[in-house]
Amino acid sequence: RKEVEQDPGPFNVPEGATVAFNCTYSNSASQSFFWYRQDCRKEPKLLMSVYSSGNEDGRFTAQLNRASQYISLLIRDSKLSDSATYLCVVTEAGGFKTIFGAGTRLFVKA
Amino acid sequence: GAGVSQSPSNKVTEKGKDVELRCDPISGHTALYWYRQSLGQGLEFLIYFQGNSAPDKSGLPSDRFSAERTGGSVSTLTIQRTQQEDSAVYLCASSSSAGTGGGGYTFGSGTRLTVV
Repeated sequence: RKEVEQDPGPFNVPEGATVAFNCTYSNSASQSFFWYRQDCRKEPKLLMSVYSSGNEDGRFTAQLNRASQYISLLIRDSKLSDSATYLCVVTEAGGFKTIFGAGTRLFVKA
Repeated sequence: GAGVSQSPSNKVTEKGKDVELRCDPISGHTALYWYRQSLGQGLEFLIYFQGNSAPDKSGLPSDRFSAERTGGSVSTLTIQRTQQEDSAVYLCASSSSAGTGGGGYTFGSGTRLTVV
């Protein structure tokens, strides 16, 4: 079993749609959680951190469920510019080793 | 510098040759990481440096891979006797503190290695 698993997609959605991605992780002792965004042929960049209480940044909402060991990302009112690969990221206890998921590809179409 | 700088941006090499990839982290960042990303895949952890501590080499795929970090700043990833399966984008990231975990990373734009 992979340490961090994501549905690779691709998700093809129209502009304005709401889309949700899930990610599961295997190490119950994992410490911190993030979503990164990676545009085609570019380096990954931090999108947002993920907390058990849930956190929202504009159209983006992230949620962590420690009991079930999964992380979610919800994008509302999708824009063409949201097209990218979204990477689920988990840092192990101690804050050192960080595992990246393989990513979920999103295509938003007009 | 303002960001993480990697060189070269592209490297084509013949199978069996050695290559060196360079990473200049953000000034003052104590933690430095190397990842590898094959086409259409996620990031594969290779090695991690934190200050003067011994590096975490647990992700290096074989003994052909090695990395150094001199003076707590610049890092060099060396691949000896390259194989075609080494073809990938090699990404370097730095952060100001290991304790920030995956949220504090700044990535360089990577070195695209092609072994022919």
